[in-house]
Amino acid sequence: DSGVTQTPKHLITATGQRVTLRCSPRSGDLSVYWYQQSLDQGLQFLIQYYNGEERAKGNILERFSAQQFPDLHSELNLSSLELGDSALYFCASSRRAYEQYFGPGTRLTVT
Amino acid sequence: EDQVTQSPEALRLQEGESSSLNCSYTVSGLRGLFWYRQDPGKGPEFLFTLYSAGEEKEKERLKATLTKKESFLHITAPKPEDSATYLCAVLASNQGAQKLVFGQGTRLTINP
Repeated sequence: DSGVTQTPKHLITATGQRVTLRCSPRSGDLSVYWYQQSLDQGLQFLIQYYNGEERAKGNILERFSAQQFPDLHSELNLSSLELGDSALYFCASSRRAYEQYFGPGTRLTVT
Repeated sequence: EDQVTQSPEALRLQEGESSSLNCSYTVSGLRGLFWYRQDPGKGPEFLFTLYSAGEEKEKERLKATLTKKESFLHITAPKPEDSATYLCAVLASNQGAQKLVFGQGTRLTINP
């Protein structure tokens, strides 16, 4: 158990809908990262927050957004969902040196 | 463009048969190289961080090494429970922003 929690574990929704994925980092970790993992793309970095502020952006679509709250938990919002957005979404947190600890992931299925 | 290439894509070994996984990278401003283990449907599990050429880290049957262009994950006398996908990632720095760039992974299967 990495200490990073993610909810929900599974999410099934229809195209065009909007969903919110939630992540709680390890105690004491200020950085939160979001990743998308699909079969053909591997693990893709989406975005990083550090202590409430956006720190780095990866291949995140404009339909996706994230934020980190004062209690350090983070949410990833996915809107206007398409079939191709079906994937595993991971959150990770770190305290130092980018040693990231990953949560169990949320499996999103868009039908 | 920062890139990480892992080989082989898949590797099947007999229990006790040692081998090595390769991770080669091209990155501007390498700040660190990381190895993770991922079981199906689960999040990657952190294994090692390497920062400079010549550095080595060990954990049980795994040893990671780093050169200026590549890293190896050596697996000695593996057991079936070592079966997993092993991911390599580099910490790249670009215009002040840092991010992990992952390879596609090596899917390792250890047969009893």
